[in-house]
Amino acid sequence: DVKVTQSSRYLVKRTGEKVFLECVQDMDHENMFWYRQDPGLGLRLIYFSYDVKMKEKGDIPEGYSVSREKKERFSLILESASTNQTSMYLCASSVHGTGSQETQYFGPGTRLLVL
Amino acid sequence: AQSVTQLGSHVSVSEGALVLLRCNYSSSVPPYLFWYVQYPNQGLQLLLKYTSAATLVKGINGFEAEFKKSETSFHLTKPSAHMSDAAEYFCAVSVTGRRALTFGSGTRLQVQP
Repeated sequence: DVKVTQSSRYLVKRTGEKVFLECVQDMDHENMFWYRQDPGLGLRLIYFSYDVKMKEKGDIPEGYSVSREKKERFSLILESASTNQTSMYLCASSVHGTGSQETQYFGPGTRLLVL
Repeated sequence: AQSVTQLGSHVSVSEGALVLLRCNYSSSVPPYLFWYVQYPNQGLQLLLKYTSAATLVKGINGFEAEFKKSETSFHLTKPSAHMSDAAEYFCAVSVTGRRALTFGSGTRLQVQP
């Protein structure tokens, strides 16, 4: 069974703090993703990584950065948290196959509240 | 660019009734289409996916979806709803060369006893 774990289920931070969200997968997947989920907006891609130290911006990268130093771990960093970053953050991973049809496996999510 | 529209943010059905969740996509190239389900306080899990092998796709828990190119649709159905089907359902699209998915806004399914 593929397992994607996220370091925290719930986080409360203050405006201006630097926030780290950690994601680990145990299936040796090449691709890892960070999405944020907001009511009525579905999931929106923040960043993804297709290999160690490789990353690409998604649709809403502003205010975020990422780090992938090891294949199994993908970190999302909020450099200076703001209240509009209050959201559910979902990490996912997938194998790098021949096309774009590979299943993404999701972690349980981190619900972040920025005060 | 590709996009997904899910009609109806909330759908309510009675237990035993037909479930129909609508998804329309927009893509200039042949798409890959997915349905994911999210149970309360959990991440998303794959229900089924269309990868051009067959237009009628069967998934887990009795769900199926039909790819209709002429209607640019990929609606999700289940003949008989069960209380355990109550969850949020997301349709998503991908195309060759793009690793990430584009998600719809989601449909929350409520099942009444």
